[in-house]
Amino acid sequence: DTGVSQDPRHKITKRGQNVTFRCDPISEHNRLYWYRQTLGQGPEFLTYFQNEAQLEKSRLLSDRFSAERPKGSFSTLEIQRTEQGDSAMYLCASSLSGTARKNIQYFGAGTRLSVL
Amino acid sequence: AQSVTQPDIHITVSEGASLELRCNYSYGATPYLFWYVQSPGQGLQLLLKYFSGDTLVQGIKGFEAEFKRSQSSFNLRKPSVHWSDAAEYFCAVGRYTGTASKLTFGTGTRLQVTL
Repeated sequence: DTGVSQDPRHKITKRGQNVTFRCDPISEHNRLYWYRQTLGQGPEFLTYFQNEAQLEKSRLLSDRFSAERPKGSFSTLEIQRTEQGDSAMYLCASSLSGTARKNIQYFGAGTRLSVL
Repeated sequence: AQSVTQPDIHITVSEGASLELRCNYSYGATPYLFWYVQSPGQGLQLLLKYFSGDTLVQGIKGFEAEFKRSQSSFNLRKPSVHWSDAAEYFCAVGRYTGTASKLTFGTGTRLQVTL
């Protein structure tokens, strides 16, 4: 059973460029989450999917951000027209659905984005 | 809305000494509480979780936490710290109502271990 996998681990981009990150969840998990963590802060919830449906989005997820999970397996997070304020660690997590005990979230190693 | 407060930004302990990291939460219903640990440049590893029942929960790596409803606290403890425990520790509260499923994290406590 492999854990949550994120790619790339690091991304350096210039302001105004688009970037896309990928997350592969634990294979039997039908829920997938995205969080953002800035320096010195705890992770902040961005959005989550149950299978291919995006069920909740945070107000942090501006119009420049879009997340997809087209086949209910891996997910992508795209940031368009990046800004320096987008520099952060983007964490992906996955879980089962159902009771709270099944919703334990397991995290990947994250993608660190630096916008120059 | 739920929130988590970790009052200590940075704690330094000597190897072999005991450790307690504080966590206070605000949540209107029965809280589901978690402690995660993050090593530099890494993701989050789950240390332990509380859903209901016994208020003292055991986790991995010798950690335990005690849920105190009257104090809205979920403090993390370890009797004897090892140098490898140096990391950032996050307390989180989970919300699972309707279609909602998310964790709200505190700002973290950075643990430094001196030899």
